[in-house]
Amino acid sequence: EIVMTQSPATLSVSPGERATLSCRASQSVSSNLAWYQQKPGQAPRLLIYGASTRATGIPARFSGSGSGTEFTLTISSLQSEDFAVYYCQQYNNWPLYTFGQGTKLEIK
Amino acid sequence: QVQLQQSGPGLVKPSQTLSLTCAISGDSVSSNSAAWNWIRQSPSRGLEWLGRTYYRSKWYNDYAVSVKSRITINPDTSKNQFSLQLNSVTPEDTAVYYCARGWNYADLYYMDVWGKGTTVTVSS
Repeated sequence: EIVMTQSPATLSVSPGERATLSCRASQSVSSNLAWYQQKPGQAPRLLIYGASTRATGIPARFSGSGSGTEFTLTISSLQSEDFAVYYCQQYNNWPLYTFGQGTKLEIK
Repeated sequence: QVQLQQSGPGLVKPSQTLSLTCAISGDSVSSNSAAWNWIRQSPSRGLEWLGRTYYRSKWYNDYAVSVKSRITINPDTSKNQFSLQLNSVTPEDTAVYYCARGWNYADLYYMDVWGKGTTVTVSS
């Protein structure tokens, strides 16, 4: 099983600033990595797939990068609606898809 | 616009069977480009993929090793939906259960549409 490790567990950032979230895979997942945003009481929402492709309707301030085992989600200028929990997920080692434990992005 | 509507009981007794249904609108359970998944989320386990069903000239299923002996996912083409059955539940199966569409991207699947989730509690 591929283990996904996200860091930090909690990130405190002020609105308008940049946020950088990390995700590491225990073995290579190529570019088969997705990022999701989850707000309280809601389902996860797809932000990024293929490590760097924004899903339909996702604002350009969200960007993803990386390949192999190291990945980054960057939010360039935080808006109030961006404070949430973010998960990475690998879909390379199918059919066992695994998720990271999440990074909580909170207002500083 | 694809939407997934979940239904099923929120309380199940230990040793009984958890049953949930996910109704699809805007796509087909028989789509050759999609796979239909169940995922659960709990504080202790985080997000955990449980299994999927998909159609490629015939029906296929894949299940997570952790639940393989207890799980069944079935498509229902007449109602354009799919279901989850998890047998012999224990309190450890208490979680929010989500259905999700897996979309084919170079023969791999990321989950692009999710149901709203069903909170299932296993308790007597």
